[in-house]
Amino acid sequence: QKEVEQDPGPLSVPEGAIVSLNCTYSNSAFQYFMWYRQYSRKGPELLMYTYSSGNKEDGRFTAQVDKSSKYISLFIRDSQPSDSATYLCACGLTGGGNKLTFGTGTQLKVEL
Amino acid sequence: GAGVSQTPSNKVTEKGKYVELRCDPISGHTALYWYRQSLGQGPEFLIYFQGTGAADDSGLPNDRFFAVRPEGSVSTLKIQRTERGDSAVYLCASSLTSGVGETQYFGPGTRLLVL
Repeated sequence: QKEVEQDPGPLSVPEGAIVSLNCTYSNSAFQYFMWYRQYSRKGPELLMYTYSSGNKEDGRFTAQVDKSSKYISLFIRDSQPSDSATYLCACGLTGGGNKLTFGTGTQLKVEL
Repeated sequence: GAGVSQTPSNKVTEKGKYVELRCDPISGHTALYWYRQSLGQGPEFLIYFQGTGAADDSGLPNDRFFAVRPEGSVSTLKIQRTERGDSAVYLCASSLTSGVGETQYFGPGTRLLVL
């Protein structure tokens, strides 16, 4: 079993929809959580960073972490075709040198 | 400023050959990470450097893989006796430090195909 599980999709939604992306993790020592976006044939780019449990909002994006259930979510409001990409969740340990454990990634397509 | 660059962008080699993959981090970034991303998977940690030293190489799959960062800037990932299973995208990332939650900036990757 992988330490970080993520539904690979693909997920297809109409423009303007609210998108919900999720991950679960098994290592209770993970303390910080990130969402990366990866366009085809590009490297991942950081979208959201959350330390411990709680919510964080940035524009159309909201990240949620529930450490009690080991559940991570990313919500995208008013989705746009430019949001079409693979979304990767990642977890890190304090004292771990900032090395990240990634989920499989969910492929999202936002259609006109 | 310039981001993380990786060369070559694509590499095709034959089984058993030796390959070197290069990473140029963002100037001033002291931490450098290598990840491997197989098709349909997320990046998998290989090794990270803080300065010139390999601080954690626990992700290297076996002793055919080796990485260096002799002057604390450019890094080279070296793979000996390549196998078909080594085919993947090799991603490099750098961050200002290796502190908790420090943003890692990724390069575009080197696509390695072992025939």
